Amino acid sequence: GAGVSQSPRYKVAKRGQDVALRCDPISGHVSLFWYQQALGQGPEFLTYFQNEAQLDKSGLPSDRFFAERPEGSVSTLKIQRTQQEDSAVYLCASSAGQGGNTIYFGEGSWLTVV
Amino acid sequence: AQSVTQLDSHVSVSEGTPVLLRCNYSSSYSPSLFWYVQHPNKGLQLLLKYTSAATLVKGINGFEAEFKKSETSFHLTKPSAHMSDAAEYFCITAGGYKYIFGTGTRLKVLA
Repeated sequence: GAGVSQSPRYKVAKRGQDVALRCDPISGHVSLFWYQQALGQGPEFLTYFQNEAQLDKSGLPSDRFFAERPEGSVSTLKIQRTQQEDSAVYLCASSAGQGGNTIYFGEGSWLTVV
Repeated sequence: AQSVTQLDSHVSVSEGTPVLLRCNYSSSYSPSLFWYVQHPNKGLQLLLKYTSAATLVKGINGFEAEFKKSETSFHLTKPSAHMSDAAEYFCITAGGYKYIFGTGTRLKVLA
């Protein structure tokens, strides 16, 4: 596609509910990233995929967070048993390679846990 | 390890006056450096990037940045601020597959 697409754009979840956030990266992009951005803060790294392989998940805040990219394109970030502290914008980004390659961001999925 | 430090969390300028957003980097080798802008309720958009081809990098919307190795800086400038420039700006460096964010600078443009 023309850009990185995320859905849903806005999600209100009741505490304890499971949520799934989808990311469609730019077609052909090898690298895919998830970031968490709390209100008024900069994005914090969650996880990184190279094709279908999850090479780094060191930023996932707890075992309630799970990400997958089974066919090396679309990715899903799943949050189980949501808590209020999970309220944030979840940004997906993709790039054609690594390091010096430009990283392209989606507009984010805004999660509010009530 | 690579890192970036944005020296100002908030900057206010009057419309039509120059903009300076400061970023210092730390890297053991020639870094890749980026400036991104985030307007309210939007994703991050690339303004410009440095990848060692030229020390003065021109970006979109009249922004530019100069890579100064002696000062380990990559400051973002614009000669004349516009109201539409009001946003959050992030300096980012890349190391391997990781992109490391600065803490951001919120630019306010006064009429």
